[in-house]
Amino acid sequence: GEDVEQSLFLSVREGDSSVINCTYTDSSSTYLYWYKQEPGAGLQLLTYIFSNMDMKQDQRLTVLLNKKDKHLSLRIADTQTGDSAIYFCAERGDYKLSFGAGTTVTVRA
Amino acid sequence: NAGVTQTPKFRILKIGQSMTLQCTQDMNHNYMYWYRQDPGMGLKLIYYSVGAGITDKGEVPNGYNVSRSTTEDFPLRLELAAPSQTSVYFCASSYSIVAGDLNIQYFGAGTRLSVL
Repeated sequence: GEDVEQSLFLSVREGDSSVINCTYTDSSSTYLYWYKQEPGAGLQLLTYIFSNMDMKQDQRLTVLLNKKDKHLSLRIADTQTGDSAIYFCAERGDYKLSFGAGTTVTVRA
Repeated sequence: NAGVTQTPKFRILKIGQSMTLQCTQDMNHNYMYWYRQDPGMGLKLIYYSVGAGITDKGEVPNGYNVSRSTTEDFPLRLELAAPSQTSVYFCASSYSIVAGDLNIQYFGAGTRLSVL
């Protein structure tokens, strides 16, 4: 099975908050990442969190990390149509990143 | 501001044909990666390279070959294309993979390959 798991779809109304959840398995991961993929494009780093933190805020983005439960979430405040994309959670291993399957976020008017 | 450039963007192959997916980066990164992305699945690492002349297998290397003769270029070769290789291929690069480092990977726009 996948090392990193995410729900596949999220639909949210414009202006509401989006919360994307992720669980991972490697307790030794030093960094956890959120990447965004827009249609026809590659992945772009959105934000990251170091494993000794439990929260990180960056403008409209809030990352929460629960190390005990190996649970990571990304909250997007005031979701806009430009936030429609696929969001990937990733954990850092020895030499590589392990990615989840991606959550497709659809923002409806 | 080119970053990571992949060519071609799209390709259709017949079973048994061969092709090379090109990847080049202009950030002077030592580390480069090839991933494939299948629908509903996360990215799977095919091969990676820690510098010119050095390559190593990732999770799903079968059916692929790579070379790294320069820092900038990391081509991926499919020798005998099979339908199972229908996927979107992403090349990425990073400054470092040293344990504890941030290891931000920068991705190209992808190559969409269909093998029929």
